[in-house]
Amino acid sequence: DAGVIQSPRHEVTEMGQEVTLRCKPISGHDYLFWYRQTMMRGLELLIYFNNNVPIDDSGMPEDRFSAKMPNASFSTLKIQPSEPRDSAVYFCASSLTSSSGQPNFGPGTRLTVL
Amino acid sequence: GENVEQHPSTLSVQEGDSAVIKCTYSDSASNYFPWYKQELGKRPQLIIDIRSNVGEKKDQRIAVTLNKTAKHFSLHITETQPEDSAVYFCAARENRGSTLGRLYFGRGTQLTVWP
Repeated sequence: DAGVIQSPRHEVTEMGQEVTLRCKPISGHDYLFWYRQTMMRGLELLIYFNNNVPIDDSGMPEDRFSAKMPNASFSTLKIQPSEPRDSAVYFCASSLTSSSGQPNFGPGTRLTVL
Repeated sequence: GENVEQHPSTLSVQEGDSAVIKCTYSDSASNYFPWYKQELGKRPQLIIDIRSNVGEKKDQRIAVTLNKTAKHFSLHITETQPEDSAVYFCAARENRGSTLGRLYFGRGTQLTVWP
């Protein structure tokens, strides 16, 4: 298995632009998580899905952030409009209920908003 | 929600010595406690985990202990090696019954092992 796949790996954009991050979970995994990592706030859960349905989005910082999971093999995290304080590494992770359920992290997307 | 505190934030040890990282959590219903290792520029990777019905678990040089009464758990690395240098994160998962709960992470410990 290729593991969790994220794209792009690096994104540099200007303030006000729309940013879309993409994730393909491990095949067969029924949970998908979006995390954000910064020096100031550490590793934060933004939102997670179970069988494509959002379970908890209380970590989404504000209305500028949205996430979708149209099918079991694809999810997006969108920021519109982006701001410099959104600069961070965004990790997607997936897990399987029948195991311990620990997230398997993707390689991350390093986002820089100028 | 759950609150996970992790100490120390930085830890330096000599190669061959032991390293201990401690975490506390606030929600007594939390039932799963993983530890992740993150090397510079890489993704967090699970190194060991423990469930709330177990007090201790060991995997070669790594061990984790859990004290449910005191609501704290610790990571122990023996015979440290330079390649153990990384940031280590503890986490606690809230109990949501049949649905997986959120994982709450500590702020991380930067471990440096000097040769």
